[in-house]
Amino acid sequence: QTVVTQEPSFSVSPGGTVTLTCGLSSGSVSTSSYPSWYQQTPGQAPRTLIYTTNTRSSGVPDRFSGSILGNKAALTITGAQADDESDYYCVLYMGSGIWEFGGGTKLTVL
Amino acid sequence: EVQLLESGGGLVQPGGSLRLSCAASGFTFSSYGMSWVRQAPGKGLEWVSGMGGSSGSTFYADSVKGRFTISRDNSKNTLYLQMTSLRAEDTAIYYCAKSLSTTTCKEWGQGTLVTVSS
Repeated sequence: QTVVTQEPSFSVSPGGTVTLTCGLSSGSVSTSSYPSWYQQTPGQAPRTLIYTTNTRSSGVPDRFSGSILGNKAALTITGAQADDESDYYCVLYMGSGIWEFGGGTKLTVL
Repeated sequence: EVQLLESGGGLVQPGGSLRLSCAASGFTFSSYGMSWVRQAPGKGLEWVSGMGGSSGSTFYADSVKGRFTISRDNSKNTLYLQMTSLRAEDTAIYYCAKSLSTTTCKEWGQGTLVTVSS
């Protein structure tokens, strides 16, 4: 069974740039995987950052961008801020109406 | 403004049933697919089920197939999730979400907690 993979954790310095990735245990991510990215802080509902690979959701700063890098989807945060410290999840379309989330990346800003 | 308000969560014994509701407002409900996503305590997000807007097609994760049923009442702008044969591992916050054709979750509700325990 194919699993969606994400880095369990990542750290970035304030003002720095970080790229989180979202891959498949078997195969490549493409735009046909319709990757989306979500941000979640403890005790809160997820917030949609990016959908359809690179479309920024309303109100999301342009510091957040989505892309396909090689065989993975990617979320890049430029000029990281303290309040970017959150859990980040991706979701991919697996076909036949089925979607699967990655395990999430815990981002630390320090 | 899109608003999604889940309700119906609570404590249920293993093997029991529960029906979750999600009241939607701020958009033309019948025109959009909808999804349920859950999050077990301290764990990540898990896609549970999705339903088309006009098509009425339904889809389920393997973990709930045969036990959960997604449905909607477009006249009441409400999405449902009927959960049966509940197990301890179904304990989670259940979120409903508005879908687009190219993303399962565009807007999210605040979630409702389901606890399966004796």
